[in-house]
Formats: sequence, structure tokens, C-alpha cells
Amino acid sequence: EVQLLESGGGLVQPGGSLRLSCAASGFTLRSYTMSWVRQAPGKGLEWVSSISGGVDSTYYAGSVNGRFTISRDNSKNTLFLQMNSLRAEDTAVYYCAREYNSGYKDYWGQGTLVTVSS
Amino acid sequence: DIQMTQSPSSVSASVGDRVTITCRASQGISTWLAWYQQKPGKAPKLLIYAASSLQSGVPSRFSGSGSGTDFTLTISSLQSEDFATYYCQQAHSFPFTFGPGTKVDIK
Repeated sequence: EVQLLESGGGLVQPGGSLRLSCAASGFTLRSYTMSWVRQAPGKGLEWVSSISGGVDSTYYAGSVNGRFTISRDNSKNTLFLQMNSLRAEDTAVYYCAREYNSGYKDYWGQGTLVTVSS
Repeated sequence: DIQMTQSPSSVSASVGDRVTITCRASQGISTWLAWYQQKPGKAPKLLIYAASSLQSGVPSRFSGSGSGTDFTLTISSLQSEDFATYYCQQAHSFPFTFGPGTKVDIK
């Protein structure tokens, strides 16, 4: 059974850093493109970043480019999102998702809440 | 970036009703479109991919159509468990943008 379990969310001050983790089970992480999608309180879904299967090419939304870094540890079957220079507008639930057939997110984690506030 | 719009933003319907949601892309995306269902406090769920392909396990009352810039999600006979927010998402090119969502609630 495919499962994704995020962790690492919490309260952080503006300008601070946080690293989110997404532990995958039931499939081999390195074989799939993986993504982070966020949802601000009461708002819609916003794609944040993706890392492609195999070659590990990375992609970022303009709003996080240069501040966030996506990576994975294939030995631990875990996806990461390193978030630096956090802003209030980064406050959201962050979901990791597996991509099927390029762009279609067929499995999602339960989400982890990141709150950026002083 | 490709902009996605949805209409209506919300719809009130009764069990058994036929519900249609429209999604429009700011440029042609062929059939690179997905539909997701999200219930409060839960992660989104993939319903439709490639504009009209039903994801495994999704009831057949859900269907998708369209290509180019205009797409439709139809629920043929609304069930109580279908009250949720529905999002379209283009998978044509990065960034993979989502529509703003359509909330389906009880009339």
C-alpha cells in the first residue's frame, strides 16, 4: 500500500528555516516524480516544487524559487523540502504528493502545517 | 504561466442532481488536465487525469471531458459523499497550476 507521511511542520519566525520530510512506503521513491503542494488557510492549492524521477531535475514556483530546496534520500525513501527565509505568506499546510504520468498527483500525504509568525 | 479559472466558484445541489463544473486554461493544454476532490481537513484526491480518464477506484458517476482550453467535470447523480471542493490542474507545463476551486454544497 502506498503511503506518504509528512513531518517537520511547526511555528517559525519570519526569516527562519524549516525542513519538511515526507516518508514514502509501498513504492520506490527514486522511480517517481515527487512534488510539494501547499494550501494556505481557507485558500486553494498551490504547487510549490517537484523533483523528477531518475534524473532528479528540480522545479520551483516563482514564489519560493531561491528560498526552498527540494531533495530526496533514496536510501531512506524520503523526500525533503528545505525552506529558508520564511515569510508570513508561506503559512500553509504542505502536502507531498507522488506524480503519475507527469503532473498527475495520484497519492498525497496527510499534510503538515507550517506557521510563520512572530 | 498558464492560468486556470473555474466556474462556478460554488454550487448548491441536492442528492441525485447532475452537477457540471467548468475549467478554462489561459492557453491550450491539449488534454493535460486533472480534477481533484478535497474534503475539509483532508488531502486532495485524484478523480480524473488526461481530461477524461477515470482514476482507479473512482465511481463512474464522475466524468471529465474537453481539450485545448475548455474542460468539464460532471457528476451524473450527486451523492452525499460528493459534497466537497473540486480543483482542476493543468499538467502541460511548469508551474503545474491549479484552478481556484469549486465548492459543491448541500442545497
